Amino acid sequence: GQSLEQPSEVTAVEGAIVQINCTYQTSGFYGLSWYQQHDGGAPTFLSYNALDGLEETGRFSSFLSRSDSYGYLLLQELQMKDSASYFCAAVAAGNKLTFGGGTRVLVKP
Amino acid sequence: DTEVTQTPKHLVMGMTNKKSLKCEQHMGHRAMYWYKQKAKKPPELMFVYSYEKLSINESVPSRFSPECPNSSLLNLHLHALQPEDSALYLCASSQLGKDTEAFFGQGTRLTVV
Repeated sequence: GQSLEQPSEVTAVEGAIVQINCTYQTSGFYGLSWYQQHDGGAPTFLSYNALDGLEETGRFSSFLSRSDSYGYLLLQELQMKDSASYFCAAVAAGNKLTFGGGTRVLVKP
Repeated sequence: DTEVTQTPKHLVMGMTNKKSLKCEQHMGHRAMYWYKQKAKKPPELMFVYSYEKLSINESVPSRFSPECPNSSLLNLHLHALQPEDSALYLCASSQLGKDTEAFFGQGTRLTVV
């Protein structure tokens, strides 16, 4: 089966850095994806890590350590529009994408 | 075109009704998905289609019946639903393979009365 754990909520101020951790237990694991979802909106793909290491995409970076079954999403230079829920998702055999519980990020002025 | 289009956006149906949700994509993706999302919860995988064939059914009750008429379309037929089935139903698509970037539609908000 698939199990992904992430913190439920994080609060930070504009301009700050936030790290959202994700630990996983999955069978047939291929990689870890991250999605952003604003209230009332659709999940939007942010990044994908198939290999260990850091992937940087603008203000957002994602990291994976397969040996530790651990990854994180780093949000830098936080902006008000970054207030949203962030989900890690494990990619497994059969194109199976399973989501963690989600981390609600609240950015304050 | 990087859109996944779902119709209708909202649907209210009675427990004896039959309705269908529709999903369309023109990105050439050969994997398509149905997810169910309750408020403040993550999307839960329901079905996966690969090359228009059902490849994963996450033990979904038979009152939900998926159909993939062609590589661009995905339907979810609903019959005899329960109030607890009220949720946001999300369709997604992706390229087949390990590097998965799934594109989600805006969803159908379903209310069963």
